[in-house]
Amino acid sequence: AQRVTQPEKLLSVFKGAPVELKCNYSYSGSPELFWYVQYSRQRLQLLLRHISRESIKGFTADLNKGETSFHLKKPFAQEEDSAMYYCALSAGLSGTYKYIFGTGTRLKVLA
Amino acid sequence: DARVTQTPRDKVTEMGQEVTMRCQPILGHNTVFWYRQTMMQGLELLAYFRNRAPLDDSGMPKDRFSAEMPDATLATLKIQPSEPRDSAVYFCASGLGQGGAEQFFGPGTRLTVL
Repeated sequence: AQRVTQPEKLLSVFKGAPVELKCNYSYSGSPELFWYVQYSRQRLQLLLRHISRESIKGFTADLNKGETSFHLKKPFAQEEDSAMYYCALSAGLSGTYKYIFGTGTRLKVLA
Repeated sequence: DARVTQTPRDKVTEMGQEVTMRCQPILGHNTVFWYRQTMMQGLELLAYFRNRAPLDDSGMPKDRFSAEMPDATLATLKIQPSEPRDSAVYFCASGLGQGGAEQFFGPGTRLTVL
């Protein structure tokens, strides 16, 4: 079964501390994984995708196929990083794709 | 700056009433998704369309929910009759329907069923 698990509903860290938002997935095919972010009163938006291997706003995420994980990391948290973060898996079937989202982790960065 | 739009932004209704939510995807996007967001379940996929054809609506309660795309510029999600447990934020998203493609989300419709 295709599944995305985000074990933490809430993660609180102090400003300047490292952040790691956990994401594990279950998928028999070759996964395409994403992180989406929702800031307060804003719509969900793409933060980064694993195929791009990019760093956005200081965040990085590495796909670990052995551990079936795609954890989101940032070395030094900032207050403006406070938001809801969703990990998502793109699952293909017969040429069509749907996205499976985790339940989300709310990140609070404390001053 | 093209954006997905949704109406209404907020809807308060009484149990048993019909609710219709509308979405205008980004022009040129061929895939449309409907999600429901709740504290407990996070983002649940309700239905999605490609080139206006429904591909998967297994996430929807079939007896009360229906989703349609009458044309390429409009997607609708209807609940009839509504129940208090339907209270949630409903998001529409559109994209290019490819595996690595980004989904662009609308602002959501906050539904409260009393």
